[in-house]
Amino acid sequence: QSVLTQPPSVSGAPGQRVIISCTGSSSNIGARYDVHWYEQLPGIAPKLLIYGNTNRPSGVPDRFSGSKSGTSASLAITGLRAEDEGDYYCQSYDSSLSEVVFGGGTKLTVL
Amino acid sequence: QVQLQQWGAGLLKPSETLSLTCAVYGGSFSGYYWTWIRQPPGKGLEWIGEINHSGNTKYNPSLRSRVIISVDTSKNQFSLKLTSVSAADTAVYYCASQSPGNWFDPWGQGTLVTVSS
Repeated sequence: QSVLTQPPSVSGAPGQRVIISCTGSSSNIGARYDVHWYEQLPGIAPKLLIYGNTNRPSGVPDRFSGSKSGTSASLAITGLRAEDEGDYYCQSYDSSLSEVVFGGGTKLTVL
Repeated sequence: QVQLQQWGAGLLKPSETLSLTCAVYGGSFSGYYWTWIRQPPGKGLEWIGEINHSGNTKYNPSLRSRVIISVDTSKNQFSLKLTSVSAADTAVYYCASQSPGNWFDPWGQGTLVTVSS
């Protein structure tokens, strides 16, 4: 059971928009710790997608955007492409556990 | 552009010690934390622990009794040892650079470690 809760799966047709949620609590996201997002394409290491809730590293398309409110955060992907299929993870820090925590991951399927 | 390359034994027997090393190329070794993360087959990511260039460490409380992370600044390398492994430790192990803001970038290529008798 992950400290951060994500939906197991989301799907959308090419060109559509999907949103992946990440729900935490008052000891992590709600305690104002930043949320970061990673994309893991099949068979390869995760790649940083969003850092500090809303920031995109150089090279990440603006189709990807992050937001945070209260004890939750979201990753939005617009203009879905087949190559976006993979797993997406949120990550933050938990002060009660004194450790970095990840969401359980969300599998994105492009229909 | 920092790059991480990792290596280590991929097949262990129960009770043995897992040992992995990660080399940092192309960037400053100081000023960051260096981290190990693992991913059991078909499952999510688990943070194992971190170390900085001075050797200061933090470990996942659930693994603390079995984990040692060390650093060799002369080689720009850091290492993971996990003692008394069991099948539950079977996973892909990743090294990563941890920013002061606690995000991980970049990551090593990953090493599959299988524990089987």
